[in-house]
Order: sequence, then C-alpha cells, then structure tokens
Amino acid sequence: GAVVSQHPSRVICKSGTSVKIECRSLDFQATTMFWYRQFPKQSLMLMATSNEGSKATYEQGVEKDKFLINHASLTLSTLTVTSAHPEDSSFYICSALRIGGPLDSNSPLHFGNGTRLTVT
Amino acid sequence: SQKIEQNSEALNIQEGKTATLTCNYTNYSPAYLQWYRQDPGRGPVFLLLIRENEKEKRKERLKVTFDTTLKQSLFHITASQPADSATYLCALAKPGGYNKLIFGAGTRLAVHP
Repeated sequence: GAVVSQHPSRVICKSGTSVKIECRSLDFQATTMFWYRQFPKQSLMLMATSNEGSKATYEQGVEKDKFLINHASLTLSTLTVTSAHPEDSSFYICSALRIGGPLDSNSPLHFGNGTRLTVT
Repeated sequence: SQKIEQNSEALNIQEGKTATLTCNYTNYSPAYLQWYRQDPGRGPVFLLLIRENEKEKRKERLKVTFDTTLKQSLFHITASQPADSATYLCALAKPGGYNKLIFGAGTRLAVHP
C-alpha cells in the first residue's frame, strides 16, 4: 500500500529555534500534501495545503510566516516551525494525496505517522 | 461553521460484542464521509469511506452507515477484539475542498478480554 514517511518522529527544541519536519511519499507522487496539528485528546486541525511548485494555502488563523511550507518535489513537503515557542508543542501530521487514487473504496489520502514536537 | 461531534466518552466493551460509534455533523452536506483508526502517537489509518448516496458500507468486521437526513454516521465493529482498542475518527471533506478533511475529536474504544 501507499506509504507516507514523516521525519523526525520526535523532536525537542529550545524556545526561539526553528524546526523542520519532512513528509515524503515513498511510492507515489503527490502534487498535494496537507499538514495537520493535533493537541492531546483533540481532533486533527488542518493547518495548510501544500502544493508542489506553488505557494501553500493556509487555513484561517494559521500564521504563514510562522509555519513555513515548502513543496519542492512531487514526493517531499516540509513544514518549518520558525521561532518555536512552548505553545507550538503539538503532534504534527502530514497527509499526501495520491494522484488518480480511487475514491470509491479507498481513500486517496495517506497519512504519515506524525511528529511529536516539544518546545522547552 | 461546520461541526463534527463524536462521543467524547470512552467506549468500554467486552470482547466479542459489537461496538457502535456515532458521528454527527451540522451545517454540512458532505459528498462522502470517512472513518479512521488512530493509535497513540501514530497518524490516522484509513478504514472506510462511504458516499452520500450510499446507505451502508461493509469491510470484514466493520460496517458504516450514513444517514444524510439525520446527518449521522454509525460505525460498527462486530466480534470486537482487544486489538481493536484505539481511537476512531470520523472525517468529512470541507466544503469546496474535496480532499481537505475536517476531523471529529474521535471516540476511544477499549475492548476488554
């Protein structure tokens, strides 16, 4: 089946530093990837849509200058949390849209295993 | 705004019984609805998708119903096993964004031997 790899799985950083999270589609091309954030016992919240070769589209309330997204190739999107603060500590999850994926019995979206960010 | 509600209380059932989880939504007419499983510290894993014109979908021990009049989906796991213990998420596509999903907070299921 389709595999999406996220790296790192866990990261601890100091307040004020930047952290980069990678999302790779390993066996398919993805022109579109999505970034979500999940706080404990809460739902996944869509942060932005990452489009290969163009600017990301951010959801309302998400600061684009704080959460930099780059989708430089058909298999890689990165999310950089700039000047991280403790309130940015969360579980970040990406999903990749498989082009041409059937939408009758299978979801075209494939999720990574998430990155646990802790800002101290 | 769109809202998805799932039972926030954990569901505890005995092994072998059928687990039934509920997903209700408001201000919405989604083209399809999806159910995911999420284990602690992991990303969601897709289970089933049901379209608005389908009443029921089955996959092995799983069954999903979709009532667009009630704006409700029910997710059933028959002959439940301890390995089914996880959080189950309901997700709908955002209006205007066919693959942009809005998730419910999930219901945690615990199946006891």
